[in-house]
Amino acid sequence: AQSVSQHNHHVILSEAASLELGCNYSYGGTVNLFWYVQYPGQHLQLLLKYFSGDPLVKGIKGFEAEFIKSKFSFNLRKPSVQWSDTAEYFCASREGGSYIPTFGRGTSLIVHP
Amino acid sequence: GAGVSQTPSNKVTEKGKYVELRCDPISGHTALYWYRQSLGQGPEFLIYFQGTGAADDSGLPNDRFFAVRPEGSVSTLKIQRTERGDSAVYLCASSLGLTDTQYFGPGTRLTVL
Repeated sequence: AQSVSQHNHHVILSEAASLELGCNYSYGGTVNLFWYVQYPGQHLQLLLKYFSGDPLVKGIKGFEAEFIKSKFSFNLRKPSVQWSDTAEYFCASREGGSYIPTFGRGTSLIVHP
Repeated sequence: GAGVSQTPSNKVTEKGKYVELRCDPISGHTALYWYRQSLGQGPEFLIYFQGTGAADDSGLPNDRFFAVRPEGSVSTLKIQRTERGDSAVYLCASSLGLTDTQYFGPGTRLTVL
């Protein structure tokens, strides 16, 4: 069974700091990758996704992620975080041809104003 | 427009009781997923439907869990003889098709005493 690792469980930053959240997946074949975000009191929502093509994916609210196949990684980045980015972030992977995603355990991000 | 809704938002029950959790997907979405999220973990796949049929129920933990979607819209997750370990947030998500973006509901928090 595939797995997704998010090594940073809790991250605390000040506004304007740069963000990078790690995500590693285990599946060696064709893979679809996702980052989801859950703001306090809100539903889980899609931030960005990678299916194929350009390995640098841009999402909503200035977030981006880079697919590095050789490292089995799909790290999430943002050059300058805002207080409103405080949320729980989940990485997920899905084997190509499958419709079942596997989620990581999430990273809690707190941004201090 | 209306998003995915789930009822009840909270359910407290006693060990051994039967519970039903309801999911109303976005109108027109043919795919519907159920997930379970335990404290400090990411969503864990349970079952998904394409239309009325359960396309994959491999994530259901045991035969106490069952889900239906009789008319291809509303779905109900049924748990028999609840156990304390069933306590979690149960999430529902729907999408236009199986490869499309999933939209999550607010979840039902189930507590088994």
